[in-house]
Amino acid sequence: GDSVTQMEGPVTLSEEAFLTINCTYTATGYPSLFWYVQYPGEGLQLLLKATKADDKGSNKGFEATYRKETTSFHLEKGSVQVSDSAVYFCALRKWSSNTGKLIFGQGTTLQVKP
Amino acid sequence: NAGVTQTPKFRVLKTGQSMTLLCAQDMNHEYMYWYRQDPGMGLRLIHYSVGEGTTAKGEVPDGYNVSRLKKQNFLLGLESAAPSQTSVYFCASSYDNSLNTEAFFGQGTRLTVV
Repeated sequence: GDSVTQMEGPVTLSEEAFLTINCTYTATGYPSLFWYVQYPGEGLQLLLKATKADDKGSNKGFEATYRKETTSFHLEKGSVQVSDSAVYFCALRKWSSNTGKLIFGQGTTLQVKP
Repeated sequence: NAGVTQTPKFRVLKTGQSMTLLCAQDMNHEYMYWYRQDPGMGLRLIHYSVGEGTTAKGEVPDGYNVSRLKKQNFLLGLESAAPSQTSVYFCASSYDNSLNTEAFFGQGTRLTVV
């Protein structure tokens, strides 16, 4: 079945370091891909998305490119801040059974130290 | 601008007790979802609704029931709580089921069953 796999955490970085969180997916057809972020004590918020191959989603200095050939959607940021500490979820959505449901990866915890 | 509101935010139940979690959205969204979040497993879909008066099972529906009597509300019920239902529950809503539509999440309900 369809699935999303993320790199295991926690990821611990110093402020201003470069961030990569790996995400790969398995799905038939042409899914849309999303990154959601969950700050401590809060619900999930959409960070960025991409709807077709080679699209690049970007927001708040974060970027991810939809790579169909490698079935990947890795999240990157050039210089992380303490305020980026959160749990990051990669997810996909397919046109399937009219549900609009999201399929999530297991989440990656990012800790940024001053 | 409330968005998606979940009540309660925290709850402790004894095994065998029942309870209802309420999700309310003020964005006139058709689609609503209940997910559970467990460590290392991401978010898994429990039940969902594609419109007022409709409900359907997700990946992990056993032990839960839902109702969508009004478009803005989606209720999740536990008839006889079990320790395996200890989790964080998230409600989400979206305008439609198109591939690039954003899902909006509530802040979550942390449920402990003892």
